[in-house]
Amino acid sequence: GAGVSQTPSNKVTEKGKYVELRCDPISGHTALYWYRQSLGQGPEFLIYFQGTGAADDSGLPNDRFFAVRPEGSVSTLKIQRTERGDSAVYLCASSPRRLAGGSSYNEQFFGPGTRLTVL
Amino acid sequence: QKEVEQDPGPLSVPEGAIVSLNCTYSNSAFQYFMWYRQYSRKGPELLMYTYSSGNKEDGRFTAQVDKSSKYISLFIRDSQPSDSATYLCAMSRVIQGAQKLVFGQGTRLTINP
Repeated sequence: GAGVSQTPSNKVTEKGKYVELRCDPISGHTALYWYRQSLGQGPEFLIYFQGTGAADDSGLPNDRFFAVRPEGSVSTLKIQRTERGDSAVYLCASSPRRLAGGSSYNEQFFGPGTRLTVL
Repeated sequence: QKEVEQDPGPLSVPEGAIVSLNCTYSNSAFQYFMWYRQYSRKGPELLMYTYSSGNKEDGRFTAQVDKSSKYISLFIRDSQPSDSATYLCAMSRVIQGAQKLVFGQGTRLTINP
């Protein structure tokens, strides 16, 4: 079946502009995560959705970053007033169900990412 | 100091060699320990995960977790050129239903034919 898809695959913008990055999770997956991967680094957690609500947004670096998932499926990461330091690959991952406790593992399936370059 | 430390390499070995990749961590609350493989311009792909200390084997891959030392390893036997990629260790615990992954920096591995 289809995996996680992300659009656009590449985005080049100018400093100060607004950008939107889209994630289409695997059908039926209720959990959705956004991560950011800077060059030569591992991904870093940004935000987690369970259904429509942002259950944990503790990884968002500042209030220029915002994400929505209005119908519990597609999610959009929005970045206002972009800065050169925002340049990175933005990864989306989805999981099939919400974990009820701490005893069962739930795999996250990653998309290919959106490579954002801020000039 | 980062919660998860991983030597970024690069690491280059001949085909057929045994590869050893390692990570250390500082947070004793981590419950799950994972290894991901990431090819250039692709998303991370899960190779293996473990929940407790000990070994787990899957084909040519063996994952080891030593919680007492806060140290995890991935061994690749009979390495192939197709194993050339960046290998990321990751750890997590479940908090309010979320399984936030904390990644190491990644080790870039090249297997030379």
